[in-house]
Amino acid sequence: DADVTQTPRNRITKTGKRIMLECSQTKGHDRMYWYRQDPGLGLRLIYYSFDVKDINKGEISDGYSVSRQAQAKFSLSLESAIPNQTALYFCATSGRTGTTGELFFGEGSRLTVL
Amino acid sequence: GIQVEQSPPDLILQEGANSTLRCNFSDSVNNLQWFHQNPWGQLINLFYIPSGTKQNGRLSATTVATERYSLLYISSSQTTDSGVYFCAVEHPKLSFGAGTTVTVRA
Repeated sequence: DADVTQTPRNRITKTGKRIMLECSQTKGHDRMYWYRQDPGLGLRLIYYSFDVKDINKGEISDGYSVSRQAQAKFSLSLESAIPNQTALYFCATSGRTGTTGELFFGEGSRLTVL
Repeated sequence: GIQVEQSPPDLILQEGANSTLRCNFSDSVNNLQWFHQNPWGQLINLFYIPSGTKQNGRLSATTVATERYSLLYISSSQTTDSGVYFCAVEHPKLSFGAGTTVTVRA
């Protein structure tokens, strides 16, 4: 089984719908991240959490929200999806304090907003 | 914010060839990582290398932090090396380059 698991892996939805992407990890890491990947743009950070009570915005947080339900679970929500949120979304974890540490990624969630 | 530039953007190799990918960054960083995204979209951490040189099989990486660049070497390339290679720098959060797409032909 994967150490970082994302659900769903693929989702097609309509404009205006609420969508939740879930991430769970068995690595025992404190730090969790949500990234978005668009063709030719690399990965951009949406939100990150250094522990259950710590949530921080990344560079493209508008239109997204997150919830850290437990050390092992970090979910990303799109309250009202729009077509330009069509992308590949990755959850990642790292275990070090002080610096980001080595990142481990989930398998990705491909979201299409029609 | 920090600029992360990867070159070349695309690389086509014949199986067995060697290659070098480059990552330049515009400011001092806390660390640097290299990732490989395979054709199925999976992202794998290759190296965590804030400075110095590391080797892992046919891959090796060198980061010269004082000169703000890192190099990823692929030796004796195989078709399984195909995919996109990303570097990411911490300043203080991780920022990714746009990637180098590598295609290895049999």
